Amino acid sequence: NAGVTQTPKFQVLKTGQSMTLQCAQDMNHNSMYWYRQDPGMGLRLIYYSASEGTTDKGEVPNGYNVSRLNKREFSLRLESAAPSQTSVYFCASQESSYNEQFFGPGTRLTVL
Amino acid sequence: AQKITQTQPGMFVQEKEAVTLDCTYDTSDPSYGLFWYKQPSSGEMIFLIYQGSYDQQNATEGRYSLNFQKARKSANLVISASQLGDSAMYFCAMREINFNKFYFGSGTKLNVKP
Repeated sequence: NAGVTQTPKFQVLKTGQSMTLQCAQDMNHNSMYWYRQDPGMGLRLIYYSASEGTTDKGEVPNGYNVSRLNKREFSLRLESAAPSQTSVYFCASQESSYNEQFFGPGTRLTVL
Repeated sequence: AQKITQTQPGMFVQEKEAVTLDCTYDTSDPSYGLFWYKQPSSGEMIFLIYQGSYDQQNATEGRYSLNFQKARKSANLVISASQLGDSAMYFCAMREINFNKFYFGSGTKLNVKP
């Protein structure tokens, strides 16, 4: 079991460029999440997907879009990157509301 | 209002001693779960312990225990017999079951001294 995988691990973008962060889980979990973690801070929820075919906004959704491609995969897209989106992005999955979230290793994104 | 408050940005503890990391929460959802995660310098998020709002007993997992005081809305993490490998950031988190929301605190950086 790989758990939760994320690609890429590192990325540098110029302002205005677009990119998609990929996330996949092999635990057959229903829920998946995207967070960002800024230096010295906790995680803030960007978007989540409670089940295949549904997505909802979290605390900081502006500037992002998501796609729940299937039960395994949940991608995060930055259409026009801004320096304020420089952060570490974590994907997570969860079996049910009463279970812990399992996190991927993170993607370190720098926007110049 | 902050949903999760961790008032200790940094803490030191002597190896082999116990340490308590504070966490208070705010919710109107009667059904919620409280989590603690560890984030070492390598960056990954490691789940430590879970407490449900309806659980009568405090959760324990090895050297970790959660001191759950529902009326005070606190969910402090107690680490017994600290080890050097416990040095890391620790995050308290809450899942509101009915509102379907998930919140993290700002974290406490724990340093274990030899």
